[in-house]
Order: sequence, then structure tokens, then C-alpha cells
Amino acid sequence: KAGVTQTPRYLIKTRGQQVTLSCSPISGHRSVSWYQQTPGQGLQFLFEYFSETQRNKGNFPGRFSGRQFSNSRSEMNVSTLELGDSALYLCASTRGTGELFFGEGSRLTVL
Amino acid sequence: AQSVTQLDSHVSVSEGTPVLLRCNYSSSYSPSLFWYVQHPNKGLQLLLKYTSAATLVKGINGFEAEFKKSETSFHLTKPSAHMSDAAEYFCVVTPLNRDDKIIFGKGTRLHILP
Repeated sequence: KAGVTQTPRYLIKTRGQQVTLSCSPISGHRSVSWYQQTPGQGLQFLFEYFSETQRNKGNFPGRFSGRQFSNSRSEMNVSTLELGDSALYLCASTRGTGELFFGEGSRLTVL
Repeated sequence: AQSVTQLDSHVSVSEGTPVLLRCNYSSSYSPSLFWYVQHPNKGLQLLLKYTSAATLVKGINGFEAEFKKSETSFHLTKPSAHMSDAAEYFCVVTPLNRDDKIIFGKGTRLHILP
């Protein structure tokens, strides 16, 4: 069974640009959540989607957005990038048991 | 409101000696608690989970954790450390109420000394 797939794995952007990250969950998992991981702040919850609806949202500015498609694949977008957005962005899927299955992450560097 | 505190940001042990990573939680109801491990440049992998079936939970790679309600703790242990255990470990509490958010501890980096 394929795991959670995140693309791209690495990317470099400059301030002011925008970025879109993709996450394909494990087959049959309908819930996808996103997290930002930085050395200073640790792991922070961004948002969770279930059946194409945002079910929960963390404390991030409106520049951070996401969506989920009918096949449960999810994307997150960050607009007007800032240096502080440099981080590892992790996606996780779940079948509703509480256990999260994580992808390997997308490492974003903002210059 | 729920919270989780990992008491040590770094722990160093020698290979072959026991590992203890400490986690305390706060919850107004019986929580679901998890330990995840993250190796460098990787995602998180589930080590074990507590969901009220048994207080002593066994996980992968020889790790186990004991839920102690009286102490509000869920410490992770392993009898004998291996070099491959060097990683960052996260204690996590997940909500029963879908309106609540999942909460991660700040992580404990485990160093294994040869």
C-alpha cells in the first residue's frame, strides 16, 4: 500500500512569490492535515480537510490556504512568501482512528 | 483544554543502556496519546498509541510507554538503546472532540553515544 506522497520534496523561492505544495493521502484515507515544522516553533498545525471541507484551522495568517479534491488529494498554498515561511511542511492522512500517517515533507527555503 | 509537555529537549544515552523520554499531558477527559519518531529529513512515524485499552502499550522497535493517570504521564521507554534510535521523538495528544486541535509536544532529541 503506497504511503503519503508529498511533492515537491525540496523547493527554493524568493520573498513575495507564492508556492503550492501537494499531498496524496493513503488510499481510503479521507482526512488530510498539514503542519509546519521549524527549529524555533516546532510542529504547528496548519489545517485539516475532510471530504473537501476544511474541518479545523491553526493560527496562521490568511496567506496560508489549502483545499482538498474529491479524490482526497490536498494542496496547500502560501502567497507573498516571507523569509519566516522557510520550513518543512508535512502532510498527514488518517482513516479516522487518530493515528496519523505522515509524508516525508516538502522543504521550502525562502530567499 | 488539552496540552502536552515533553520535559527534556535533549536526552543522551550510551548504546545498550535504557532510554526514558518523558511526557506529561493535561486533559479534562481521558485522552488518546501517541508517540511518534522523526529521523532527519523524514516525516513522522508512529511508535505507539494509547487509547484506553491497556495502560502499558508496546510499540515498534522495542519501545513501550505506560499511561499513568494519577501522574498525568505517558513516558516512553526502551530497555536497550541502539544507534538507529537516534532521532527526534514527539508526544502527541489528539482530541476526542473534532473541534479541538491535535497537539504536539516540542520534541525530544535522542542522542546515542557509542
